[in-house]
Amino acid sequence: DSGVTQTPKHLITATGQRVTLRCSPRSGDLSVYWYQQSLDQGLQFLIQYYNGEERAKGNILERFSAQQFPDLHSELNLSSLELGDSALYFCASSPRWVIATGANVLTFGAGSRLTVL
Amino acid sequence: GESVGLHLPTLSVQEGDNSIINCAYSNSASDYFIWYKQESGKGPQFIIDIRSNMDKRQGQRVTVLLNKTVKHLSLQIAATQPGDSAVYFCAESKNTGFQKLVFGTGTRLLVSP
Repeated sequence: DSGVTQTPKHLITATGQRVTLRCSPRSGDLSVYWYQQSLDQGLQFLIQYYNGEERAKGNILERFSAQQFPDLHSELNLSSLELGDSALYFCASSPRWVIATGANVLTFGAGSRLTVL
Repeated sequence: GESVGLHLPTLSVQEGDNSIINCAYSNSASDYFIWYKQESGKGPQFIIDIRSNMDKRQGQRVTVLLNKTVKHLSLQIAATQPGDSAVYFCAESKNTGFQKLVFGTGTRLLVSP
């Protein structure tokens, strides 16, 4: 157990629907990152939050949004789902927002597998 | 959970052999590199990291080599075991400002008993 908790583990939904993925970071970690892992694109960075504030954005679609709450858990909202959104979504956490040393390396959760039919 | 559904280069070795997994990184300004291991059904797990001011770093049974001239990174696993079977990713980062790791496409390591 990495200490990063993601729910749900599996989710099957239909095109056009909206889902919310939840992440609880490792105890003491202030920064949360979301990654998408699909068959043809590997691990793609979506967005990062630090202590409730958005810090960096990657290849996140406008249909997707995220937030980090005061208790530091984060949610990734995916709307108007398309078949191509089927993927594994990983949350990772780190103590700080700058990768400066190995002590600040990302710790990943087990992922949420989204299947859009 | 199947990150292993990716169409990845595969390295097949026998138990006890040494394995070498290679990675070409893209950004010459990257100054921090990490190797991750991803087993089926799990998220990526940190193995070892190296900063750009080093060319070699050793861990337990693993060694990372960095060649900045050709932007090449390698992970050497000594005495490979069946439990080492996984997908291995290198990741790079530029250590200024807000950080996001850029992951390579991964290599699948298959270890036969």
